[in-house]
Amino acid sequence: GAGVSQSPRYKVAKRGQDVALRCDPISGHVSLFWYQQALGQGPEFLTYFQNEAQLDKSGLPSDRFFAERPEGSVSTLKIQRTQQEDSAVYLCASSLADQPQHFGDGTRLSIL
Amino acid sequence: AQKITQTQPGMFVQEKEAVTLDCTYDTSDPSYGLFWYKQPSSGEMIFLIYQGSYDQQNATEGRYSLNFQKARKSANLVISASQLGDSAMYFCAMRIGGYNKLIFGAGTRLAVHP
Repeated sequence: GAGVSQSPRYKVAKRGQDVALRCDPISGHVSLFWYQQALGQGPEFLTYFQNEAQLDKSGLPSDRFFAERPEGSVSTLKIQRTQQEDSAVYLCASSLADQPQHFGDGTRLSIL
Repeated sequence: AQKITQTQPGMFVQEKEAVTLDCTYDTSDPSYGLFWYKQPSSGEMIFLIYQGSYDQQNATEGRYSLNFQKARKSANLVISASQLGDSAMYFCAMRIGGYNKLIFGAGTRLAVHP
């Protein structure tokens, strides 16, 4: 497909488990972003990659959150020792340089 | 502080009528961009329209136009000839200067009635 692809679409985990969320950006997009969207709120920035370099991780809420994009394409957001407050939709977006960001459908994470 | 404010939690409009969704922003940076996204119940964020802080004219994209009033720091979205498929959450967002991240408002839920 031509759009941003995220998997899984839904993830349920028990508190304390580790989870990994995947984002496959639009081919050729050098910029990749992760956002967290709590229920009923707007998305909040987590982290930003330009190619494989993580240029901004100021939005990551704790050191339990880790993101990588080793080859400058697919990115993985990992959350360790999940807690209930991590329950949210995680959105990935990609873009060319200064162009508008294109978002995936998101991963809805529920922590029990 | 950099902030986006959307004061309308919910709006409704009759099909085929026009509707305006409000957005005000706060930044001291002279270079910024303003975006509107649509989020249907399925969850994806769909880019609608963009306005740069130095753009002289209001942006338009089909049935969408952005009423940009720089002195008032407002960037309202106008949807003309509403359609049932326009029912969704609408988010206003801002990108500041050299930073790439978007700052989003809380959103407005639009319901289009037949």
